[in-house]
Amino acid sequence: ETGVTQTPRHLVMGMTNKKSLKCEQHLGHNAMYWYKQSAKKPLELMFVYSLEERVENNSVPSRFSPECPNSSHLFLHLHTLQPEDSALYLCASSQEVGGALAKNIQYFGAGTRLSVL
Amino acid sequence: GIQVEQSPPDLILQEGANSTLRCNFSDSVNNLQWFHQNPWGQLINLFYIPSGTKQNGRLSATTVATERYSLLYISSSQTTDSGVYFCAVKTDSWGKFQFGAGTQVVVTP
Repeated sequence: ETGVTQTPRHLVMGMTNKKSLKCEQHLGHNAMYWYKQSAKKPLELMFVYSLEERVENNSVPSRFSPECPNSSHLFLHLHTLQPEDSALYLCASSQEVGGALAKNIQYFGAGTRLSVL
Repeated sequence: GIQVEQSPPDLILQEGANSTLRCNFSDSVNNLQWFHQNPWGQLINLFYIPSGTKQNGRLSATTVATERYSLLYISSSQTTDSGVYFCAVKTDSWGKFQFGAGTQVVVTP
């Protein structure tokens, strides 16, 4: 248990569905992240939220829509996904140090394994 | 952007063996972390080590920042050490964490 909880753990959806991934951190951190991990590829950062404001958007397609209602919760809303979006989606959190995210330590959730049919 | 290369890509060990994993990076970094991803996908932070040496049980890590590499040592390996080991670096305050491709470790009984 790392203090970061992701639900659901597994998700199968059709290309016309709309679903949401949820992440909750119990560590009192003020920054949260979404990563995508595809087979045989390094982890790819998708979004960063610091103090509930998005500070990084890594050229992610608009069919992925993040939401950070407070510092403990992060959502990833999915709609009209493609089969190539099938992957493990990982959430992480960290504590901003000295006004910057440079020296933070990231803690990861167990991920949501998404399959798009 | 910064390049992160990990070697070897795959490693098969017999239980009890020692091993060294390497992470090379192409630019100066202010943050470097080693992670272990278990077979179920959970990523666990092993070390925050932008420079110097740290030890935690059978694991230790050394980063030589001036030469742009980091090493992760696994001693007396156990089957529970199996999984993928990732090195991740960051070069500036708001820059993204750049992950290496990982080293897949399999420890056999």
